[in-house]
Amino acid sequence: KAGVTQTPRYLIKTRGQQVTLSCSPISGHRSVSWYQQTPGQGLQFLFEYFSETQRNKGNFPGRFSGRQFSNSRSEMNVSTLELGDSALYLCASSGWTGSNEQFFGPGTRLTVL
Amino acid sequence: AQSVTQPDIHITVSEGASLELRCNYSYGATPYLFWYVQSPGQGLQLLLKYFSGDTLVQGIKGFEAEFKRSQSSFNLRKPSVHWSDAAEYFCAVGAITGNQFYFGTGTSLTVIP
Repeated sequence: KAGVTQTPRYLIKTRGQQVTLSCSPISGHRSVSWYQQTPGQGLQFLFEYFSETQRNKGNFPGRFSGRQFSNSRSEMNVSTLELGDSALYLCASSGWTGSNEQFFGPGTRLTVL
Repeated sequence: AQSVTQPDIHITVSEGASLELRCNYSYGATPYLFWYVQSPGQGLQLLLKYFSGDTLVQGIKGFEAEFKRSQSSFNLRKPSVHWSDAAEYFCAVGAITGNQFYFGTGTSLTVIP
């Protein structure tokens, strides 16, 4: 069974631009969660989608948004990029919403210049 | 408020020595507890999890963890460390509803020959 895939693996953007990251969960998984990982803040929860609905949201500004498609693939969008948005963005999939084992993808490394 | 504390930022052990990584959590309900490992440039891999039942849980790669409710701790142990265990280790707590995990800031493990 294929694991969680994230594209692209690396991105370089400049301040003010916007970016879209993609995550394909494990086949059959309906829950996708997004995390931001930085050296200073560690791993912080962004949001979770289940069956195309946002179920949980972390404490991030509205510039961070996401969506989930009917095939469970999810996208995360960050608008008006700031230098502080530079991070590793991790996607995790799970069979359902309700704390269970989450399977993480390799992440997308975003660098904002 | 939910939180996870990993008091050791960095630990160095000799190959073959025993290992204990500390994790303390603060959570208002029965916690679901996890330990993940992250190798450089990789996503997170689940080592073990505790939902209920036996407070000593076994995981992959020879790791185990013990849940102590009275101490709000979930320490990770390994009797004999291998050089390939060098990585970043994260403790996480989750809720029964939703996949919003709270992660500790991680403990970086160095293994010396």
